[in-house]
Amino acid sequence: NAGVTQTPKFQVLKTGQSMTLQCAQDMNHNSMYWYRQDPGMGLRLIYYSASEGTTDKGEVPNGYNVSRLNKREFSLRLESAAPSQTSVYFCASSEAVFGGYTFGSGTRLTVV
Amino acid sequence: TQLLEQSPQFLSIQEGENLTVYCNSSSVFSSLQWYRQEPGEGPVLLVTVVTGGEVKKLKRLTFQFGDARKDSSLHITAAQPGDTGLYLCAGVLWLNRKLIWGLGTSLAVNP
Repeated sequence: NAGVTQTPKFQVLKTGQSMTLQCAQDMNHNSMYWYRQDPGMGLRLIYYSASEGTTDKGEVPNGYNVSRLNKREFSLRLESAAPSQTSVYFCASSEAVFGGYTFGSGTRLTVV
Repeated sequence: TQLLEQSPQFLSIQEGENLTVYCNSSSVFSSLQWYRQEPGEGPVLLVTVVTGGEVKKLKRLTFQFGDARKDSSLHITAAQPGDTGLYLCAGVLWLNRKLIWGLGTSLAVNP
């Protein structure tokens, strides 16, 4: 099925551990995004990549790094996880920057 | 600062009723998107409106973009349980081309 695929779907980390969230899209979209969604805070942009080879900070980039590996793949890395990073993470893609998004189904991350 | 206000925050109605949810701001948008998110899933794009005064219909859903491009509404006719979900609006600010999100309206349609 065409769309955005995120892995893993669930993850529990201990404080200080690191991990990478993977995202791939097969729609030939130029732009890709990482969001986190928290109750009462809504969707907040962590990082985005307007096109292959570029990345930019969003609203809440601290504690995260990203890599646009190629046009299809955009990964999010937590170098030293903190309880404040407990959240649901969504990857999304769009043909044009901030155009209509296609979202993945999310990664539910708990940091204990 | 939340620049995109959605109302109501929660709505619980019976199957067959009509409803309208709103997305308001003091900022001007070059375009506005509506999404529906079901529990455990990512948001799904319903529509994008780009012209002030524009009305778009998607089956029983009618979307309107305000004349001044500062607000939008979503009207659902004869709601069904399958309409249950979180309705999110997101606007691209005319000023700086950034996308901002509302917090959503959580809709429950009871059979």
